[in-house]
Amino acid sequence: AQSVAQPEDQVNVAEGNPLTVKCTYSVSGNPYLFWYVQYPNRGLQFLLKYITGDNLVKGSYGFEAEFNKSQTSFHLKKPSALVSDSALYFCAEGSGTYKYIFGTGTRLKVLA
Amino acid sequence: DSGVTQTPKHLITATGQRVTLRCSPRSGDLSVYWYQQSLDQGLQFLIQYYNGEERAKGNILERFSAQQFPDLHSELNLSSLELGDSALYFCASSVESGFGTEAFFGQGTRLTVV
Repeated sequence: AQSVAQPEDQVNVAEGNPLTVKCTYSVSGNPYLFWYVQYPNRGLQFLLKYITGDNLVKGSYGFEAEFNKSQTSFHLKKPSALVSDSALYFCAEGSGTYKYIFGTGTRLKVLA
Repeated sequence: DSGVTQTPKHLITATGQRVTLRCSPRSGDLSVYWYQQSLDQGLQFLIQYYNGEERAKGNILERFSAQQFPDLHSELNLSSLELGDSALYFCASSVESGFGTEAFFGQGTRLTVV
């Protein structure tokens, strides 16, 4: 069965510093991995995905994610955080039977 | 704007009532997914339709039902509502299901049961 874990409920980072939001997955076979961002009172917005190929995936708003098969991880990263990046971030896995499984979400707070 | 439209945006109703949430997918998308987001349970998958047929079911209560119509819009029906049904209900759509295609989400319907 698919599962996704986001071990941190909240991540605080200073503006201008690099940020990392962690995600690990469990799936039989090859994973399809996604990151979404949710701003207050909004739906989820797609940031990036990993299907196959390069382990470093680039997405929207300067975000990137690194796929690591041996560690079954797909961490979201950004070299320099902005206050406007503060939001709720979800990791998801989508190789299973017709559905996406989401992690519990990580609240990112970027401090000015 | 994701292209997925959900109506209404907000809904306040009493316990025991029935409501219908509506979703119009992005043009060309055949798959529609419904998710429930509550504070203590994150995003829970409810049900998925592909081109009018039910494809997958999650932890959807028997009091809840859904359907996808020939024009591909979908409705989620919630009946005998309880206080615990208060949540954000999201609809998402994708071109296909699985195969690594990303889903696009509507802005959600916030249901408050009083």
